[in-house]
Amino acid sequence: NAGVTQTPKFRILKIGQSMTLQCAQDMNHNYMYWYRQDPGMGLKLIYYSVGAGITDKGEVPNGYNVSRSTTEDFPLRLELAAPSQTSVYFCASSYPWGSENTEAFFGQGTRLTVV
Amino acid sequence: SQKIEQNSEALNIQEGKTATLTCNYTNYSPAYLQWYRQDPGRGPVFLLLIRENEKEKRKERLKVTFDTTLKQSLFHITASQPADSATYLCALFGLFRAGSYQLTFGKGTKLSVIP
Repeated sequence: NAGVTQTPKFRILKIGQSMTLQCAQDMNHNYMYWYRQDPGMGLKLIYYSVGAGITDKGEVPNGYNVSRSTTEDFPLRLELAAPSQTSVYFCASSYPWGSENTEAFFGQGTRLTVV
Repeated sequence: SQKIEQNSEALNIQEGKTATLTCNYTNYSPAYLQWYRQDPGRGPVFLLLIRENEKEKRKERLKVTFDTTLKQSLFHITASQPADSATYLCALFGLFRAGSYQLTFGKGTKLSVIP
């Protein structure tokens, strides 16, 4: 199993540009998440999904969009990049809450800089 | 508002001693609590989970306690080794807002084990 795979690993965007961060998992997990992590700060939840076609906002959703058309993929879209979106983005997946094993598996992260 | 606090940003400890990290929370009724390890430039890795009806969990040199009255979890690493040096994150799963359960992370404690 590859686990959770994120692409790209690094990206520099100009203000106002758009991009999609890709996330794929091969563990057949229902739940998937997007977090951002700023220096010295904890992980902040952007969006999450409990299954294909079902998504919900987290703590910091503004400026982002998501879709979940398959169990495996959960892309994160930035429409108009702003310097405040400079961060490290982590995708994660898990079995449903209430399952015996609910640990979250994380990808390696995407380091995004908006200039 | 809900808040998760990890007692210190950094903790230095001598090799062989027991490291104790603290996680406190307010305005929260978590169903369970998890601890993760994060190394520089990498995604968090799950270590232990403890449920609200459990007092203590152990795994090899790791021990977690959960006191829902004090709203506190303690994470212990016994016989610490330099390889244990990393940032440790506390995460709570609970009701974030009406109808939305989320996994929320603290800022982390950076542990340095000195040989």
